[in-house]
Amino acid sequence: DSGVTQTPKHLITATGQRVTLRCSPRSGDLSVYWYQQSLDQGLQFLIQYYNGEERAKGNILERFSAQQFPDLHSELNLSSLELGDSALYFCASSVASADSYEQYFGPGTRLTVT
Amino acid sequence: AQKVTQAQTEISVVEKEDVTLDCVYETRDTTYYLFWYKQPPSGELVFLIRRNSFDEQNEISGRYSWNFQKSTSSFNFTITASQVVDSAVYFCALSAGNNQGGKLIFGQGTELSVKP
Repeated sequence: DSGVTQTPKHLITATGQRVTLRCSPRSGDLSVYWYQQSLDQGLQFLIQYYNGEERAKGNILERFSAQQFPDLHSELNLSSLELGDSALYFCASSVASADSYEQYFGPGTRLTVT
Repeated sequence: AQKVTQAQTEISVVEKEDVTLDCVYETRDTTYYLFWYKQPPSGELVFLIRRNSFDEQNEISGRYSWNFQKSTSSFNFTITASQVVDSAVYFCALSAGNNQGGKLIFGQGTELSVKP
């Protein structure tokens, strides 16, 4: 158990809908990262927050947004969902915001868009 | 550009065999960090090791060992006397040039199957 929690574990929704994925980092970690894992794209970095502020952005679609709250939990919002958004979404956390810190991953949220 | 290549898509071995998973990386940064993660069938990603670019010492942890060679831009992972529980997808990852962040760039993964 990494100490990172993600809810829900599974999510099934229809095209065009909007969903929110939630992540709580390990105790003491200030940085939260979101990754998407799909069969065709592999594991791709989406976005990072550090202590409430956006720190880095990757291949995140405009339909997707995220935020980190004062209690350090984070939410990833996915809107106008398409079939291609079906994937495993991971949240990870680290103590600080730098290359040198290992990231601990949550169990993931499996999103299925039908 | 930064890139991680794991050329072996799938490897199948019989229990107790040794197996090496290859990882080749590309980066122009002189300071960078390399990682290995394990993704068992249950789906979570488990951190295994971190290595920085200034430390080329090989590392051993139980049946696991890692060989970092800057000259060939490789960071290979060997499992000695493999066990069925080692069956998983293994990912090599790179973090570099992120002055204010630490995003990971992952390879495509190597699926290891250890048969009894």
